[in-house]
Amino acid sequence: EAGVTQFPSHSVIEKGQTVTLRCDPISGHDNLYWYRRVMGKEIKFLLHFVKESKQDESGMPNNRFLAERTGGTYSTLKVQPAELEDSGVYFCASSQRQQTAPLHFGNGTRLTVT
Amino acid sequence: SQKIEQNSEALNIQEGKTATLTCNYTNYSPAYLQWYRQDPGRGPVFLLLIRENEKEKRKERLKVTFDTTLKQSLFHITASQPADSATYLCAPLYNFNKFYFGSGTKLNVKP
Repeated sequence: EAGVTQFPSHSVIEKGQTVTLRCDPISGHDNLYWYRRVMGKEIKFLLHFVKESKQDESGMPNNRFLAERTGGTYSTLKVQPAELEDSGVYFCASSQRQQTAPLHFGNGTRLTVT
Repeated sequence: SQKIEQNSEALNIQEGKTATLTCNYTNYSPAYLQWYRQDPGRGPVFLLLIRENEKEKRKERLKVTFDTTLKQSLFHITASQPADSATYLCAPLYNFNKFYFGSGTKLNVKP
């Protein structure tokens, strides 16, 4: 099966600009997650979709971040306007419905805000 | 919020030895705990899951233990190989489908 794909793999933008990250989960996976790793720190939860519905968005840092999953397939994470502290690696993961189902991660998008 | 602690210092061991990595958590025990491996430039890859009521889980050269009294999970790799060199992450599951991740421990296996 095809894995989780993320696009772009790298993005360098200036402070104040907008960036949109995309995630294509494994087909059939209802759960989709966004995580972020800031340099040297742990991978932090941002939000969780079940199909097209936001199940938990408690990790979203502020209202500059907007995630969507129209149709319950791919997801986008938009940062507008970007700030320096938004730099990091953004990971998307998907899983099946079962609570014990493992997460399948993409290789991440490395975002650098200058 | 939950705090997950893993040794931030890299673990350096000789090939053939057993590597033991530690994951400590605060507050209440998770229902499940997963371990992942992450290589540079890649996303984490699932290795093992252990349930709250399980003391130990094995898969080939890997072994995970779960001690709810100590609030700790140990991850062992026996007969380690240079190919085992990577960062290992523990991820307890607390709320429905919400995993918290530790910062990971980097393992270096020297030939």
